[in-house]
Amino acid sequence: QLQLQESGPGLVKPSETLSLTCTVSGGSISSSSYYWGWIRQPPGKGLEWIGSIYYSGSTYYNPSLKSRVTISVDTSKNQFSLKLSSVTAADTAVYYCARQIGPYTIFGVVITLDAFDIWGQGTMVTVSS
Amino acid sequence: QSVLTQPPSASGTPGQRVTISCSGSSSNIGSNYVYWYQQLPGTAPKLLIYRNNQRPSGVPDRFSGSKSGTSASLAISGLRSEDEADYYCAAWDDSRVVFGGGTKLTVL
Repeated sequence: QLQLQESGPGLVKPSETLSLTCTVSGGSISSSSYYWGWIRQPPGKGLEWIGSIYYSGSTYYNPSLKSRVTISVDTSKNQFSLKLSSVTAADTAVYYCARQIGPYTIFGVVITLDAFDIWGQGTMVTVSS
Repeated sequence: QSVLTQPPSASGTPGQRVTISCSGSSSNIGSNYVYWYQQLPGTAPKLLIYRNNQRPSGVPDRFSGSKSGTSASLAISGLRSEDEADYYCAAWDDSRVVFGGGTKLTVL
């Protein structure tokens, strides 16, 4: 079945760029029925959506992070990636990648981004000098 | 401060029915679908409810979701010890996905 696996450095220095990759196995990232998203969770806190990307490259970003975030997709490698620039200690978190249902039409309404139905196990990233 | 408001904690005894609330506004819950995720200790979140009240395959029918106006609820009947987890609601809100702050459910 479909699996997602995050990879990347576990430690990033303040002011530098955090880079993570999510590898999709057991299915194609080029499916027209799904977006691919990043969500993070600071230690002991709740979930925060970072952004999502379609296989075509179309993206949606959390406005609160948009100025620092870039999400890209590499369909040849079945991967998508996250770059978060100018990191601070507040960016320390477990970062999850997930498959997001959408786009589709139901009852005449277009739903672009729906549920996150499959998640990676998450990777802890600490921002510290 | 989360856009969606959940009680920080809830509890119940085995076999009991518990509900977890999620309060929002007209721009999120009031006009979009609500989702619920379960996060067992030390694991990634798992989709529990989508489109307000739909269960993915494999999710027991002990879990049910509902929505009314700008609020939503997750109900768990026949509470079990393995239901002890954090529960998060989520919705679309004006071009972004928003989550509730989470509710820690304790099975006494």
